[in-house]
Amino acid sequence: TQLLEQSPQFLSIQEGENLTVYCNSSSVFSSLQWYRQEPGEGPVLLVTVVTGGEVKKLKRLTFQFGDARKDSSLHITAAQTGDTGLYLCAVHGSSNTGKLIFGQGTTLQVKP
Amino acid sequence: EADIYQTPRYLVIGTGKKITLECSQTMGHDKMYWYQQDPGMELHLIHYSYGVNSTEKGDLSSESTVSRIRTEHFPLTLESARPSHTSQYLCASTIDTSPLHFGNGTRLTVT
Repeated sequence: TQLLEQSPQFLSIQEGENLTVYCNSSSVFSSLQWYRQEPGEGPVLLVTVVTGGEVKKLKRLTFQFGDARKDSSLHITAAQTGDTGLYLCAVHGSSNTGKLIFGQGTTLQVKP
Repeated sequence: EADIYQTPRYLVIGTGKKITLECSQTMGHDKMYWYQQDPGMELHLIHYSYGVNSTEKGDLSSESTVSRIRTEHFPLTLESARPSHTSQYLCASTIDTSPLHFGNGTRLTVT
């Protein structure tokens, strides 16, 4: 079983539409990270959320950490073709090793 | 701006060959990681290191081996490549529990 469940797995939308992707777990986390990975490149950190109920905005991207710190969502307003990529959520493993455990990701395709 | 470098970016090699994937970082990070990723899929941790002369196996079993003789260098070696090793290999580094910095990966194809 996956520690982090991301949904949907695939999403194809038109430019200008809004969308929300989810990262869910039954475990509680001290923090959660979102990464975006473009084809042929490594993942790049978008944001880290640490407080239950926290909302962070990064231009058209809005990230929310659940009140119980078990889940998170990423909302994109007026998607652009440049938003196309694989969106991954990640949390630290149990020990202080810096190891990240990733969800299976949401592949987003934004069509012009 | 990439401060973590992986070479080669692409590698096509025949079955049975020995290969080494290089990873170097210039940030002085103590922790380094190797992840394996099939296209568009999640990342699976295969090796990590806390520092020089420290290496550990990750959550996904792998036939590869790693070494950490210098802080900045964390190469991954496959003694005898097989088609099942075809994948993308991503190297990352960090300090403490800060977010990971990833390289751009090596896409390996074993024929």
